[in-house]
Amino acid sequence: DVKVTQSSRYLVKRTGEKVFLECVQDMDHENMFWYRQDPGLGLRLIYFSYDVKMKEKGDIPEGYSVSREKKERFSLILESASTNQTSMYLCASSLGGRAGNEQFFGPGTRLTVL
Amino acid sequence: DQQVKQNSPSLSVQEGRISILNCDYTNSMFDYFLWYKKYPAEGPTFLISISSIKDKNEDGRFTVFLNKSAKHLSLHIVPSQPGDSAVYFCAASGTGTASKLTFGTGTRLQVTL
Repeated sequence: DVKVTQSSRYLVKRTGEKVFLECVQDMDHENMFWYRQDPGLGLRLIYFSYDVKMKEKGDIPEGYSVSREKKERFSLILESASTNQTSMYLCASSLGGRAGNEQFFGPGTRLTVL
Repeated sequence: DQQVKQNSPSLSVQEGRISILNCDYTNSMFDYFLWYKKYPAEGPTFLISISSIKDKNEDGRFTVFLNKSAKHLSLHIVPSQPGDSAVYFCAASGTGTASKLTFGTGTRLQVTL
């Protein structure tokens, strides 16, 4: 059974803290993605990676960075958390090779920045 | 600039009737379209997809229709069941984009008894 896991379901941080969100997939997928979901805005792509050590900016990369040192692991980093980064963060992975491949999602991390 | 739009934020349908969820897109380079279902406190799960070379794809109670000239797709659920109550996201992908998806804002479906 395919699986994407995220390190925390709920996280509370203070403004200015550095925050790490970890995502691990066990499907040997080439592509990994980080989204945030906000009411009325749907899922917005922050960053994605199509290979180890490769990363591409999504639609809203400002205030975030990512790291992919191993194929199965993709980390999202908030260098200095701000209240407007309070959101649900979703990680996903997919096979490479062609467009339109189904993405498999983790359960999400609800981050609150105080 | 919202390239994928779901203009109905919510929909209520009686159990056993048809649910129709709509999605419009503006980017003519999109080649694949997917529907995802999301329950609260869970990640989205893939439901059904369609390639731009087709106009219909069916999987059990779920059918997706694509009208390329109108840049419109729809998801039909027949018959609707209470367990279908969830938020449905439409997503689109173009070629050569590492399976990058652009999502709509979602439609919350409520199936009533």
